[in-house]
Amino acid sequence: RKEVEQDPGPFNVPEGATVAFNCTYSNSASQSFFWYRQDCRKEPKLLMSVYSSGNEDGRFTAQLNRASQYISLLIRDSKLSDSATYLCVAGEYGNKLVFGAGTILRVKS
Amino acid sequence: DTGVSQNPRHKITKRGQNVTFRCDPISEHNRLYWYRQTLGQGPEFLTYFQNEAQLEKSRLLSDRFSAERPKGSFSTLEIQRTEQGDSAMYLCASSLSGTEEKLFFGSGTQLSVL
Repeated sequence: RKEVEQDPGPFNVPEGATVAFNCTYSNSASQSFFWYRQDCRKEPKLLMSVYSSGNEDGRFTAQLNRASQYISLLIRDSKLSDSATYLCVAGEYGNKLVFGAGTILRVKS
Repeated sequence: DTGVSQNPRHKITKRGQNVTFRCDPISEHNRLYWYRQTLGQGPEFLTYFQNEAQLEKSRLLSDRFSAERPKGSFSTLEIQRTEQGDSAMYLCASSLSGTEEKLFFGSGTQLSVL
């Protein structure tokens, strides 16, 4: 079993749609959680941190459920420019961050 | 440019040859990570340094792989006797250690082993 698991998709959605991605992690000692975005043939870039209290940044909302070891990302009012691979990340403080395989999002006009 | 820098961007080599990649992290970052990524997969952890100390090396990493960060600044990753299965994007990232450690990646080195 992979340490961080994501639905690979692809998620094909129209512009303006709301889309949600889920991720589970197996290491119960994990304390740091992030979503990264990766465009085709580019390096991953930090999208946002994830907290138990929830974290919102414009159209993006991230949520952590420690009891279920589950992380989510919600994108509202999808834009064409949101098309990318979204990587879920978990790790222990002071230790390596483990990446999921990524979820592909394609936003179409 | 004050981001993470990696060289070369692309490397094509023949099976059995040795290759070396370089990473220059963000100057104030004390941690440096190497990841490997293949098509359709997320970045896979290889090793990381805090200053010049190598703190962890992936169990999946064979003895053909070695990394150094001699003065706690730039790092090199060497692959000896390359195999076709080594073909991948090698990503370097740096961070500042702390309770919320965020990684900043370089553009990567794409290795093709023929």
